[in-house]
Amino acid sequence: GESVGLHLPTLSVQEGDNSIINCAYSNSASDYFIWYKQESGKGPQFIIDIRSNMDKRQGQRVTVLLNKTVKHLSLQIAATQPGDSAVYFCAENSGGSNYKLTFGKGTLLTVNP
Amino acid sequence: NAGVTQTPKFQVLKTGQSMTLQCAQDMNHNSMYWYRQDPGMGLRLIYYSASEGTTDKGEVPNGYNVSRLNKREFSLRLESAAPSQTSVYFCASSDKGHRRTGELFFGEGSRLTVL
Repeated sequence: GESVGLHLPTLSVQEGDNSIINCAYSNSASDYFIWYKQESGKGPQFIIDIRSNMDKRQGQRVTVLLNKTVKHLSLQIAATQPGDSAVYFCAENSGGSNYKLTFGKGTLLTVNP
Repeated sequence: NAGVTQTPKFQVLKTGQSMTLQCAQDMNHNSMYWYRQDPGMGLRLIYYSASEGTTDKGEVPNGYNVSRLNKREFSLRLESAAPSQTSVYFCASSDKGHRRTGELFFGEGSRLTVL
């Protein structure tokens, strides 16, 4: 999985499988986390967010899990589709400013038909 | 509904030239941002404007200036372009600060090459 500071990892899955994209963060003061999806040639698009008072949040086909003990965040995509192929970024806000997000370097997800 | 519109989409500059990237949003958002994205790296915040009339530095402001022209428009200026500023630039907007919504709405990016 990715970490704020590593090279871009890749994940390749078969269509219909579940995907899990991981993200580690280092700032223990971070209390708000967001996942973005970026398709080739486009700007990032918001997927889901989670606050530090939660450990799980579900959206449509996506689930975000937060483990504050080990500073780890994951994005689970159910029944992955070719349209899910993209780079996925986690981002964190440490609360020092409402306006400053720290983005990870992203994970490239490739869905094979 | 266009969302966030950036111009130009592509630009090639010579070292030392100046240029302005334009950004406009039609969602009546209060906050606007400029990020740069380099290969293998996440997005890094250059400048942001929490509300009309205010601008603040982000993580990598050196070599850039910004203007929040009105609520809709937020421009990024390179006064003397350097090869290190070769990047893809994204403008974004949000209704509130990240802690409340987290949902940034991004433009499609402006690819800048400095020779």
